[in-house]
Amino acid sequence: NAGVMQNPRHLVRRRGQEARLRCSPMKGHSHVYWYRQLPEEGLKFMVYLQKENIIDESGMPKERFSAEFPKEGPSILRIQQVVRGDSAAYFCASSPGSGRTYNEQFFGPGTRLTVL
Amino acid sequence: GESVGLHLPTLSVQEGDNSIINCAYSNSASDYFIWYKQESGKGPQFIIDIRSNMDKRQGQRVTVLLNKTVKHLSLQIAATQPGDSAVYFCAENAYGGSQGNLIFGKGTKLSVKP
Repeated sequence: NAGVMQNPRHLVRRRGQEARLRCSPMKGHSHVYWYRQLPEEGLKFMVYLQKENIIDESGMPKERFSAEFPKEGPSILRIQQVVRGDSAAYFCASSPGSGRTYNEQFFGPGTRLTVL
Repeated sequence: GESVGLHLPTLSVQEGDNSIINCAYSNSASDYFIWYKQESGKGPQFIIDIRSNMDKRQGQRVTVLLNKTVKHLSLQIAATQPGDSAVYFCAENAYGGSQGNLIFGKGTKLSVKP
């Protein structure tokens, strides 16, 4: 049973470009979460999605950032017109949404975004 | 704002000793707490969780203690091994985990000396 998969693992972009980060949840998981981590910091919640629905985006910057989790395919975190301050590790987590461990979040390996 | 924080940023222990990592939280509405382990270059790995209706929970070599009176959480690792070297984060959720907004502390780096 594959874990949460994220790609790419490393992404380099120049200022003003777009970054697209992908997350495939664990098999059977219907809830996806995105977090951002700066060096030497804890993870900061960004957005919580279920299939085709954004449940909580209270941690998402109002501009340039968007997330989706379509009916088919991976969840996408999109950052438009990247700036150097966007450089961070972005982690995706998934949870079953039902059952005994319905809310246990399993994390992917992360995407490390570097903005030049 | 309310946040989760850690008392010690680094902890160095001898192999075989017990480790205790502490965490303070300030959101009195938090009712679900989780400890994660993060190795360099990897995502956080779930270790153990506890709900606010409990004050202690044990796993394999790990114990989590919750003191709601002083809003304190601790992770005890028995017989610490070199493979336990990592950064440990506590996280809290104010909805019993039913919503995604986990609030993470800054982390404690555990180094195990052979």
